[in-house]
Amino acid sequence: KAGVTQTPRYLIKTRGQQVTLSCSPISGHRSVSWYQQTPGQGLQFLFEYFSETQRNKGNFPGRFSGRQFSNSRSEMNVSTLELGDSALYLCASSLAGLAGKNIQYFGAGTRLSVL
Amino acid sequence: AQKVTQAQTEISVVEKEDVTLDCVYETRDTTYYLFWYKQPPSGELVFLIRRNSFDEQNEISGRYSWNFQKSTSSFNFTITASQVVDSAVYFCALIQETSGSRLTFGEGTQLTVNP
Repeated sequence: KAGVTQTPRYLIKTRGQQVTLSCSPISGHRSVSWYQQTPGQGLQFLFEYFSETQRNKGNFPGRFSGRQFSNSRSEMNVSTLELGDSALYLCASSLAGLAGKNIQYFGAGTRLSVL
Repeated sequence: AQKVTQAQTEISVVEKEDVTLDCVYETRDTTYYLFWYKQPPSGELVFLIRRNSFDEQNEISGRYSWNFQKSTSSFNFTITASQVVDSAVYFCALIQETSGSRLTFGEGTQLTVNP
C-alpha cells in the first residue's frame, strides 16, 4: 500500500508569489491534515479536510488555504508569500480523522524556501 | 488548552546505551490520545505508538518501550540498546477528543547515537 505522497519535494519562490502544494493520501483515507514545521515554531496545525470540507483550522492567516477533491487528494495554497513562510509543510492522512481514534500517517513533506 | 513539553532538546549517547526521552503533557479533557513520532533526516514523520487516556498499560515493542503515567501527566519513551539507526528527532504529540484531528506536538528531542 502506497504511503502519503507529497509533491513537489522542494520549492523555491520569491516574496509576493503564490504556491500550491499537493498531497495524495493513503488509499481509503478520507481525512487530510496539513502542518507547518519551522525551527522557531515547531510543528503547527494548519487545517484538516474531510469529504471535501474543511473541518478544522489552526491559527494561520487567510493567505493559507486548502481544498480537497472527491478522490481525497488535497492541495494547499499560500498566497503573497513572506520570508517567514519558509518551512517544511507536512501532510497527514487518516481514515476519518476522528480525534485520536485514527492514526495520522505523514508524507515526506514539501520544503518551501521563500527568497 | 493543550500543551506538550519535551524538555530534552538534544541527547547524545553511544551505541548500545539505553536512552529515555521525556514527555509531559497538559490537557483539560478526560479523553485524549498520546503519540510518539520519529522524524529521520528525510523529513517524514514516522508513527511509533498511540495511547488513549484510559489505557495506562505500559507497552514494549522490540527495543522500544513506553511508560504512560496519568498521575504525573507523562508519556516517556525508552530505547534499549540504542543503535545508530535510531538517530532522529522524536516528537511526542497529543490529541484531545474535543480538538478533532489537531495534533499538538512537543518541541522534539534530537537523539544522536554515536558508534
